[in-house]
Amino acid sequence: EVQLVESGGGLIEPGGSLRLSCAASGFTLSNAWMNWVRQAPGKGLEWVGRIRSKSDGGTTDYATPVKGRFTLSRDDSKNTLHLHLNSLETEDTAVYYCLYGLGSSWGQGTLVTVSS
Amino acid sequence: EIVLTQSPATLSMSPGERVVLSCRASQSISYYLSWFQQRPGQAPRLLIYDASKRAPGIPARFSGSGSGTDFTLTISSLEPEDIAVYYCQLRNNWRLTFGGGTTVQIQ
Repeated sequence: EVQLVESGGGLIEPGGSLRLSCAASGFTLSNAWMNWVRQAPGKGLEWVGRIRSKSDGGTTDYATPVKGRFTLSRDDSKNTLHLHLNSLETEDTAVYYCLYGLGSSWGQGTLVTVSS
Repeated sequence: EIVLTQSPATLSMSPGERVVLSCRASQSISYYLSWFQQRPGQAPRLLIYDASKRAPGIPARFSGSGSGTDFTLTISSLEPEDIAVYYCQLRNNWRLTFGGGTTVQIQ
């Protein structure tokens, strides 16, 4: 059974950095395409970024609002995905979810609050 | 950039009624459309993928149809646990796109 557990969220000041983690079990992370999606309080779902499987090059894509500030990486030894958030803005306040593939499984989410 | 427009924004129905939700794409997307259900306080879960295929464990009362630009999610007989926001999603080679969501309420 695929399970995803996010962690690393919290309260951070504008301009700060955070690293979110998504611990995966039930499958080999390097063989999967993984996505991150966020949801601002009371709002809809917004795609953040994607990392392809190792066999498909392991390349990444990002949504325009986060390009150049957020980076995806993978720790294959720990079967864990990381989302590095830099130069955070108040508009980045949201629950961040990691997704297996296109969304057949979601984690429970981790809340990032950007505020002074 | 393809935009997904969902309608209506909110729906109030009685238990047992048939519910039809709409998702329209700004250009043809073939059948690359999924539907997700998000209950209050929970993460979304996949209901339908490739426009009409039910995900494992999803009750048969949920069905999807459509292709090209117009898609529908139908709940054949509304149950109280179906109270949720429903999102459609397009997938392509480099990004995901979500519709704005439809909130289903019980009358």
